[in-house]
Amino acid sequence: DTEVTQTPKHLVMGMTNKKSLKCEQHMGHRAMYWYKQKAKKPPELMFVYSYEKLSINESVPSRFSPECPNSSLLNLHLHALQPEDSALYLCASSQEGGMTGMNTEAFFGQGTRLTVV
Amino acid sequence: QQPVQSPQAVILREGEDAVINCSSSKALYSVHWYRQKHGEAPVFLMILLKGGEQKGHEKISASFNEKKQQSSLYLTASQLSYSGTYFCGTVRLFSGGYNKLIFGAGTRLAVHP
Repeated sequence: DTEVTQTPKHLVMGMTNKKSLKCEQHMGHRAMYWYKQKAKKPPELMFVYSYEKLSINESVPSRFSPECPNSSLLNLHLHALQPEDSALYLCASSQEGGMTGMNTEAFFGQGTRLTVV
Repeated sequence: QQPVQSPQAVILREGEDAVINCSSSKALYSVHWYRQKHGEAPVFLMILLKGGEQKGHEKISASFNEKKQQSSLYLTASQLSYSGTYFCGTVRLFSGGYNKLIFGAGTRLAVHP
């Protein structure tokens, strides 16, 4: 199984809603990532988890809250989002983080297309 | 800091060749190449490491000039399936043992019959 599975595929939420994005991988990868991608732009790193600990937070607003319940799961909790947060949210995983992880490929999920109204 | 890719866009006829370039102002440990088709996830193509090691698909070739901090992706005898946006990603190691994979702006490639 070389898949990263993201749910839901599409999400429409109001600015006062609370929702969560989910990501799952069963490849035994110990590094997991959230990226945000706007149309015709590259994926932009948001968070990195390494061995279930938050390693990197790229100064993301607190209305985005990541969680890593175990080594296979990664969540992104959303609250009080703004219309400009509408984007494709991509989850990725790689075998390792840190020094070892730099020479391993990242596997991406299909993403959740989020629309904030 | 985001790597710089060139060109921004390429249009090819089937069978033609193309080169996509990626450069960084920071010292690099490795360069990654990914392709993303419209509405799909980025897909891994290749990793190039300091010291010359490469990992990736057999039909893709690339180079990594460590001194110049540049990488090039070579697409030869292009096929329709090569169409998509190509991203280079540069990896830097930060204190604390954390690494970041940061993507360039992308090169849009369209291959026509």
